[in-house]
Amino acid sequence: AQTVTQSQPEMSVQEAETVTLSCTYDTSENNYYLFWYKQPPSRQMILVIRQEAYKQQNATENRFSVNFQKAAKSFSLKISDSQLGDTAMYFCAFMNPNDYKLSFGAGTTVTVRA
Amino acid sequence: SQTIHQWPATLVQPVGSPLSLECTVEGTSNPNLYWYRQAAGRGLQLLFYSVGIGQISSEVPQNLSASRPQDRQFILSSKKLLLSDSGFYLCAWSSPAGTGNYEQYFGPGTRLTVT
Repeated sequence: AQTVTQSQPEMSVQEAETVTLSCTYDTSENNYYLFWYKQPPSRQMILVIRQEAYKQQNATENRFSVNFQKAAKSFSLKISDSQLGDTAMYFCAFMNPNDYKLSFGAGTTVTVRA
Repeated sequence: SQTIHQWPATLVQPVGSPLSLECTVEGTSNPNLYWYRQAAGRGLQLLFYSVGIGQISSEVPQNLSASRPQDRQFILSSKKLLLSDSGFYLCAWSSPAGTGNYEQYFGPGTRLTVT
């Protein structure tokens, strides 16, 4: 299994501010996929954003964007204009398309303050 | 659209009792199916995955087993539960190989407490 590291166990951000979550991974593959999932207190895992390794352009989904640095094996998530509903645990995940299995990081708990 | 169901939502079972958790997917055919376990405040650990009926791959040796009796049904079982089996169990599905879609979509989960 691939190793995915999220070095920030917890982060706090003021409403309407921006927060960036870090993620690094270890792989010898050239083709792979990266994801960010959100797990709110309900514990439902929700897909936030995906990035294909062969694409140089960083993915964006509304207020969520990533900074994908392939050479550095880094995949950070930026949440802009933070909202109270963004309070959740965020997981970075890696997939090798040859086996369809996800490897998850340990997660970062994000708390948005009013 | 596709939906994924899990039941029960919550379960409290004594040590040594059997377990059966069910997961079903609607709106897609021949999905890849997955069982994950999440300990409190932790990441997800892949337990089993299946690419077709009767095809089960186990990721970690443990007290659990999985079965796929129908195309869109995935069952997690145990003959005798241990205290260490407590956790939050998530089922997920993804499109089959060759579709170019790699996202996994998760069910609402089952919270299992073994007493």
